[in-house]
Amino acid sequence: KQEVTQIPAALSVPEGENLVLNCSFTDSAIYNLQWFRQDPGKGLTSLLLIQSSQREQTSGRLNASLDKSSGRSTLYIAASQPGDSATYLCAANTGNQFYFGTGTSLTVIP
Amino acid sequence: DVKVTQSSRYLVKRTGEKVFLECVQDMDHENMFWYRQDPGLGLRLIYFSYDVKMKEKGDIPEGYSVSREKKERFSLILESASTNQTSMYLCASSPGGGGGYEQYFGPGTRLTVT
Repeated sequence: KQEVTQIPAALSVPEGENLVLNCSFTDSAIYNLQWFRQDPGKGLTSLLLIQSSQREQTSGRLNASLDKSSGRSTLYIAASQPGDSATYLCAANTGNQFYFGTGTSLTVIP
Repeated sequence: DVKVTQSSRYLVKRTGEKVFLECVQDMDHENMFWYRQDPGLGLRLIYFSYDVKMKEKGDIPEGYSVSREKKERFSLILESASTNQTSMYLCASSPGGGGGYEQYFGPGTRLTVT
């Protein structure tokens, strides 16, 4: 069964800093890797989707990379802002199922 | 824009009650999912459905059942609510066809069982 791990569980950075969130998965036979943002008490908002054939995807200040062979994905956030404070989750898609990490809770300090 | 809606944001029920959580998506997606989310445990799949009247158990189906009579609607049923079912319940949908598609989530239902 696919297992997804996110490290660190929590991260606190000063505003303006660039940061990297990590996601690892045990089974490299994935269709895609999706990054989500979750604000407290809310649902998940999709940030980026990387297909298995892709190496990276970019949206604004966000860049996600995928290395299937090593079972890793990273989410890079440039010039962090207080509004980026949230929990970030990754999910690996295998067939019709999605396997989630437990998330990284990010706090950006003004 | 894909929209996934859930019938309630907050729900309080008593132990032993039968509870219905409704989810509706408007993008003609084949796949629909019910998860529960608990601190430290992440999202755990309860059930998913890949077509009308079709369902598959996820990792934690005990105490739950589902119904999908129409393509756009997927219901989660707690047959006899218990306090350990107090949780955030999240519904999601995605296009079908064997994988490779994006998953879209509803806003969640915070259920408290007293």
